[in-house]
Amino acid sequence: GDSVTQMEGPVTLSEEAFLTINCTYTATGYPSLFWYVQYPGEGLQLLLKATKADDKGSNKGFEATYRKETTSFHLEKGSVQVSDSAVYFCALSGGSNYKLTFGKGTLLTVNP
Amino acid sequence: DVKVTQSSRYLVKRTGEKVFLECVQDMDHENMFWYRQDPGLGLRLIYFSYDVKMKEKGDIPEGYSVSREKKERFSLILESASTNQTSMYLCASMDRGGREAFFGQGTRLTVV
Repeated sequence: GDSVTQMEGPVTLSEEAFLTINCTYTATGYPSLFWYVQYPGEGLQLLLKATKADDKGSNKGFEATYRKETTSFHLEKGSVQVSDSAVYFCALSGGSNYKLTFGKGTLLTVNP
Repeated sequence: DVKVTQSSRYLVKRTGEKVFLECVQDMDHENMFWYRQDPGLGLRLIYFSYDVKMKEKGDIPEGYSVSREKKERFSLILESASTNQTSMYLCASMDRGGREAFFGQGTRLTVV
């Protein structure tokens, strides 16, 4: 079946540091890939998405590129802010079925 | 602005009560999901629905049922609430092609 593996947290960075959160997936067919962000006590917000190979999703300074050859969708940001502190989830849909499949989430803490 | 709306942000119920969690989406999406989220366990799929009146069990359906009488509404029912169902419940909807998926704000349910 489909699966998503993302780097275990927690990740702690200083403000303005570079962020990478790794995400790899296993799926048949041509899944869509997503990154969601969850702030404390809130639901998941869609951060960015890519629906085909080599697409780059971007939003609020975050980027991720759909790499079919390495089955990866790593999240990056050049300069993190304290307000980026949250849990980040990588997810896919449309692999072997139309369920959403999630990674376990990565807690990011950004210190001033 | 796209919207998935859950009926309550916070809910406190007594053991043995029948509990209804409602979710409404305004995007005409075919697929809808219910997850629960617990610390250290990530997101776990309870049930999903790919069409009106259609439902499929997820990974942890025991103690839950669902109803989808209209396309926009997906209800999660706890037949007899128990303390181990205290959790954050998240509803999501997704288009047929799996290219976009959005979440509601979450319902924090406490069973006492």
